[in-house]
Amino acid sequence: DADVTQTPRNRITKTGKRIMLECSQTKGHDRMYWYRQDPGLGLRLIYYSFDVKDINKGEISDGYSVSRQAQAKFSLSLESAIPNQTALYFCATSAGFYGYTFGSGTRLTVV
Amino acid sequence: QKEVEQDPGPLSVPEGAIVSLNCTYSNSAFQYFMWYRQYSRKGPELLMYTYSSGNKEDGRFTAQVDKSSKYISLFIRDSQPSDSATYLCAMSAASGTYKYIFGTGTRLKVLA
Repeated sequence: DADVTQTPRNRITKTGKRIMLECSQTKGHDRMYWYRQDPGLGLRLIYYSFDVKDINKGEISDGYSVSRQAQAKFSLSLESAIPNQTALYFCATSAGFYGYTFGSGTRLTVV
Repeated sequence: QKEVEQDPGPLSVPEGAIVSLNCTYSNSAFQYFMWYRQYSRKGPELLMYTYSSGNKEDGRFTAQVDKSSKYISLFIRDSQPSDSATYLCAMSAASGTYKYIFGTGTRLKVLA
């Protein structure tokens, strides 16, 4: 099994729909992150969490919310999806300064 | 101006060539430098990790950091078609937040 598992892998949704992307990890890391990746813009941080009771906004949190259900689970929600939220979404975990472990990503298309 | 700049490429080289990938940055507080490799439809995977200045070698890969010039490089020796991927640089300040700023990635194609 992968260290960081993201579901679903692909999703097409309509404008205005609520959607949740899920992430679970077996690394035992406290820190978890959600990024989105867009061509020409790279990876941009949406939200990050250092433990179950700690949630922090990243640089592009508007239109997104998160929930840290357990140390191993961190979900990202789009309350009312819009087309410019079409992107590749990555969950990542970290034990500190030694880099991230990324999931395989969720390709989200909002039509 | 972005904090981290990286040429998007694509960079095409013949098999066996030495590849040089580079990033420049503007934040002098960055202390931790990483290179990630991302294959199509996959998540980035950590290739090299360097703290502060200097060189680090791992097999065919060498990472260099020049803090005085705010410039980092990744060299790939004896490049292989399997090295074809997008390479992302990332860096972080010693702030304890463990947030990394990523470059936009350079797409590399190694031609057989």
